[in-house]
Amino acid sequence: QVHLVQSGAEVKKPGASVKVSCRASGYTFGGYYIHWVRQAPGQGLEWMGWINPSSGGTNYAQRFQDRVTVTSDTSTSTAYMEVRRLRSDDTAVYYCARVSEMVYAEYYFDSWGQGTVVTVSS
Amino acid sequence: DIVMTQSPDSLAVSLGERATINCKSSQSVLSSSNNKNYLAWYHQKPGQPPKLLIYWASTRESGVPDRFSGSGSGTDFTLTISSLQAEDVAVYYCQQFYNIPLTFGGGTKVEIK
Repeated sequence: QVHLVQSGAEVKKPGASVKVSCRASGYTFGGYYIHWVRQAPGQGLEWMGWINPSSGGTNYAQRFQDRVTVTSDTSTSTAYMEVRRLRSDDTAVYYCARVSEMVYAEYYFDSWGQGTVVTVSS
Repeated sequence: DIVMTQSPDSLAVSLGERATINCKSSQSVLSSSNNKNYLAWYHQKPGQPPKLLIYWASTRESGVPDRFSGSGSGTDFTLTISSLQAEDVAVYYCQQFYNIPLTFGGGTKVEIK
């Protein structure tokens, strides 16, 4: 059974960085793209970017390209997302999600992590 | 970017009655190469991540009750819950995966009347 387990909640000050992890199990980690989606309090879902865990290739939403980096470690089946220069409007729940089919970058998501709450406050 | 617009923002339906949610995309998400609509539906309960219900606009995910159905093509799509159950209270989202950036509708909150 596919499981994506994310790291715990974080509280950061404006201008700091945060790195969220997403550990996968139950499938071949390198075979499926991992995406990151965030949800601000009381708001909808916002796509941030993806990583091909096998090649390390990435693609980001334009608004996050200069502040977000997604990486992966195939030895531990873990994906990471770092957000730099945090602002108060980065306060959100951050989710990792797996696409449903091998080798496809942009697809629907069949498995999601439980979410990581990131609070940015001075 | 493809803008996904859902309606209504919320609806209250009696138990056992039908609930209908609409989703409109700003451009077609129908692929001419495989004749598939790159449209998925999820629901999200409080404190939980989204859960996949429907993909390719009308294919039900394994394990999803058959009271959930999806229809539509091109730019106009509908999610129907044929007989609302208490456990269906959630926020429902459509998502296009036709191109980058992937985009979601604003959500429709379904409640019991």
